[in-house]
Amino acid sequence: GEDVEQSLFLSVREGDSSVINCTYTDSSSTYLYWYKQEPGAGLQLLTYIFSNMDMKQDQRLTVLLNKKDKHLSLRIADTQTGDSAIYFCAEPFYGQNFVFGPGTRLSVLP
Amino acid sequence: GAGVSQSPSNKVTEKGKDVELRCDPISGHTALYWYRQSLGQGLEFLIYFQGNSAPDKSGLPSDRFSAERTGGSVSTLTIQRTQQEDSAVYLCASSPSLSNYGYTFGSGTRLTVV
Repeated sequence: GEDVEQSLFLSVREGDSSVINCTYTDSSSTYLYWYKQEPGAGLQLLTYIFSNMDMKQDQRLTVLLNKKDKHLSLRIADTQTGDSAIYFCAEPFYGQNFVFGPGTRLSVLP
Repeated sequence: GAGVSQSPSNKVTEKGKDVELRCDPISGHTALYWYRQSLGQGLEFLIYFQGNSAPDKSGLPSDRFSAERTGGSVSTLTIQRTQQEDSAVYLCASSPSLSNYGYTFGSGTRLTVV
């Protein structure tokens, strides 16, 4: 079956860059997604990248896609305390359904 | 509505009781999904509704779990004879038909079975 993997924890200092990594299994995925979950809240779509792109930048967020290695990363520049959350990588499964990774808990230290 | 609404936000129930969790999707979204998020774990797919098609129930963990979607809008997830291992956050999401742009999630219902 489909399996999306992520490291579970990441701690960074405020102002540093954070890099959250993900590996996925379905090379035919057309889009890949990053979701953010703040404490006590549902998941919020953060950004996505189309599979024919290598990189997508959106303000402090940079998504890098290595299709050969099936590796996706999310870089957050100038990480702030408000970025503390759980970040989920997701890929489509049978079109409309999605498979989510276990989530990476990002802790931003002052 | 403006977002996906779930109720109740928290539910504590005794082992063996039945519970119903409700989801109001975004108006016009034809696809609706239920996921379960257990403590320290990722999201587990439960069930998916798309328009008038038969739902994809492949993720339901046992026959104690069922869901329906009335009128193509509101959905209810029912757990019968709850067990302690059912304790989790149950998340509902909706999306427009054939969307490649991800889901919109509700805030979830935190279920605690004591």
